Amino acid sequence: GAVVSQHPSRVICKSGTSVKIECRSLDFQATTMFWYRQFPKQSLMLMATSNEGSKATYEQGVEKDKFLINHASLTLSTLTVTSAHPEDSSFYICSARDPLSGTYNEQFFGPGTRLTVL
Amino acid sequence: AQSVTQLGSHVSVSEGALVLLRCNYSSSVPPYLFWYVQYPNQGLQLLLKYTSAATLVKGINGFEAEFKKSETSFHLTKPSAHMSDAAEYFCAVSDSGSQGNLIFGKGTKLSVKP
Repeated sequence: GAVVSQHPSRVICKSGTSVKIECRSLDFQATTMFWYRQFPKQSLMLMATSNEGSKATYEQGVEKDKFLINHASLTLSTLTVTSAHPEDSSFYICSARDPLSGTYNEQFFGPGTRLTVL
Repeated sequence: AQSVTQLGSHVSVSEGALVLLRCNYSSSVPPYLFWYVQYPNQGLQLLLKYTSAATLVKGINGFEAEFKKSETSFHLTKPSAHMSDAAEYFCAVSDSGSQGNLIFGKGTKLSVKP
């Protein structure tokens, strides 16, 4: 149980284009999903927290107009990197909380998406 | 504010040797603590978690961690390292906000020598 998937696993795009990454909870309903960014050999940096049906809460320094997050259903959140540039190249990881898991703050992580912007 | 410090960005052990990865936390309230493992180009997998039920927590793959309030520590151990244990390990603490955000340490890369 508590499986989170991400799609695509790897994407290469040209500078200036937009890229959408999907995060799905496969066997539970996730009222809260999180989006992280990870640079090579570094820890995870929380970008934003999204709650189903409401606007995402962005961390300080994260551009909300550049990183659009939508959490339209209890099993799907999307991250759209708009007008991507080479500096947006990174590993993006989503996670989800299962409110029924019994451990209030445990997060289940997706496998990540490697974004390369040329 | 909560924080996590992982001592040692890189730990190298021989196969069969004891694994000890250190994690100290800072929290003004009783914390939830987690250890995650990350293999190259993959997401994070939960190894174990402390949620106040027991101070010695056993996880998957033979790992365990002990919560020591007096030392504000949650070190990860495994009696005998396997080659397959080579990966990046992250300690995390949940914050006291309603969202329960995770605060991660910087990670420790574990190398296992044959």
